Amino acid sequence: EIVLTQSPDTLSLSPGERGTLSCRASQFVSSRFLAWYQQKPGQSPRLLISGTSVRATGIPDRFSGSGSGTDFTLTISRLEPEDFAVYYCQQYYNPPRTFGQGTKVEIK
Amino acid sequence: QVQLVQSGAEVKKPGSSLQVSCKASGGPFRNFGFSWVRQAPGQGLEWMGGIFPMFGSAIYAQKFQGRITITADESSNTVYLQLSGLRSEDTAVYFCAREPDPKHDDYYMDVWGGGTTVTVSS
Repeated sequence: EIVLTQSPDTLSLSPGERGTLSCRASQFVSSRFLAWYQQKPGQSPRLLISGTSVRATGIPDRFSGSGSGTDFTLTISRLEPEDFAVYYCQQYYNPPRTFGQGTKVEIK
Repeated sequence: QVQLVQSGAEVKKPGSSLQVSCKASGGPFRNFGFSWVRQAPGQGLEWMGGIFPMFGSAIYAQKFQGRITITADESSNTVYLQLSGLRSEDTAVYFCAREPDPKHDDYYMDVWGGGTTVTVSS
C-alpha cells in the first residue's frame, strides 16, 4: 500500500499569506493520479485538485498543485478566511486508494 | 446537478451489522464509480472500498476484507455499504463519494454525500 505523509501537521498563517502544503508518497505515484481535498468542520470533503494540478469546477485559482514522483505540493497563494480548513492528499495510482493524514491550516 | 443522499444516523451494538445507503440523483449512474470513505472522530479519511456499477464487482481495502460488502442497485441508483462484526472502533462518519471515470482509472472523488454517523456502543 502507498503511504502518503503530509507536512506539516498544522500550518499557522494569517489571511493574505501564502500556504505551502506537502504530500510525500512512500513509492512512485504517477502525477495523473494525485488529488487534493479540503474539509471544514462538520462538512464533507470537497475536491480541489485532481491529476496533481487540475482544479475542480469552481475552485479559485489561488489554489494550485504541483509535483511528481513522490513529492507533491498544494499551494494557496493568498489565504482567504474561508480557506482555513484541513487538507488531504489522495493517491489513486495503485489500489488501495489512500489518503494522507491531513494538514490543518489554522489562523495565526 | 449530481447529489448523493445518504441514509440516516445509526446506533449499533457490538457484533451487529450495518447497512448504509447512498442514492445518486441528477446524472447517469452506471458510468461512474462509487467509493466508501470513513472518518473516525477527530481522525483523517480512510478508504474502505469501491464499486463500478457497470462492471458490478467491488474492491475492498485489505483491512475490511471478510466483513465488508459494497453493492449497487442500478434500478434505484443506489449504492450500499454493509459492514459486519461491528466494534467500537467502527464508530465514525461514513461517506459515499463518486468517482468520475473508472474506465480511465480516474478514481478521485468529485461528489460526496453528506455522511452517515454510525455509533457502535453497548
